[in-house]
Amino acid sequence: DAGITQSPRHKVTETGTPVTLRCHQTENHRYMYWYRQDPGHGLRLIHYSYGVKDTDKGEVSDGYSVSRSKTEDFLLTLESATSSQTSVYFCAISSSLNTDTQYFGPGTRLTVL
Amino acid sequence: QKEVEQNSGPLSVPEGAIASLNCTYSDRGSQSFFWYRQYSGKSPELIMSIYSNGDKEDGRFTAQLNKASQYVSLLIRDSQPSDSATYLCAEPTGGGNKLTFGTGTQLKVEL
Repeated sequence: DAGITQSPRHKVTETGTPVTLRCHQTENHRYMYWYRQDPGHGLRLIHYSYGVKDTDKGEVSDGYSVSRSKTEDFLLTLESATSSQTSVYFCAISSSLNTDTQYFGPGTRLTVL
Repeated sequence: QKEVEQNSGPLSVPEGAIASLNCTYSDRGSQSFFWYRQYSGKSPELIMSIYSNGDKEDGRFTAQLNKASQYVSLLIRDSQPSDSATYLCAEPTGGGNKLTFGTGTQLKVEL
């Protein structure tokens, strides 16, 4: 497996609370991505980063923010969690030499009650 | 916006048979496609990439790209129970540093 970890791996929280998910890589890859995966919708891109402090929105970015202060870390924050954000969240990375090939982290299962 | 469509399945095949998974896409300009395999409860992993029209073989896997008909397929020969998983196809978007995924096809290989 590519050196990608996600924390926490499981989280249960209540509506209205802030939540931060962390993605950490040891591959020194330039690009990092946050996806959510829901039944019937597949993988959908939330936000991505193309370098330190350089981020952009994906197709389902409402309600989410990200930060990347170091190459190895990409944080996803739900400012005020809602039940519709219950999902499995995957982080992925790719290098600038081969941006097509994305390697995925193990995922975080988030439940918002 | 690019769209990638897959039949959700499940597709059931007997052990040893050929499994055929298909994906259609909307963008005639698409140049490359990727097949990911995802076991239940696990993360997706890349198993095949194809960059040109025609076939690409890798072991028991063959990816086929038909740009005229706008579909890409994955053939798995001599299917094994360990091939039971969800298969996702993806194409590059946004200048190539992002991927758009299909919803995936669940494959079940039965003994």
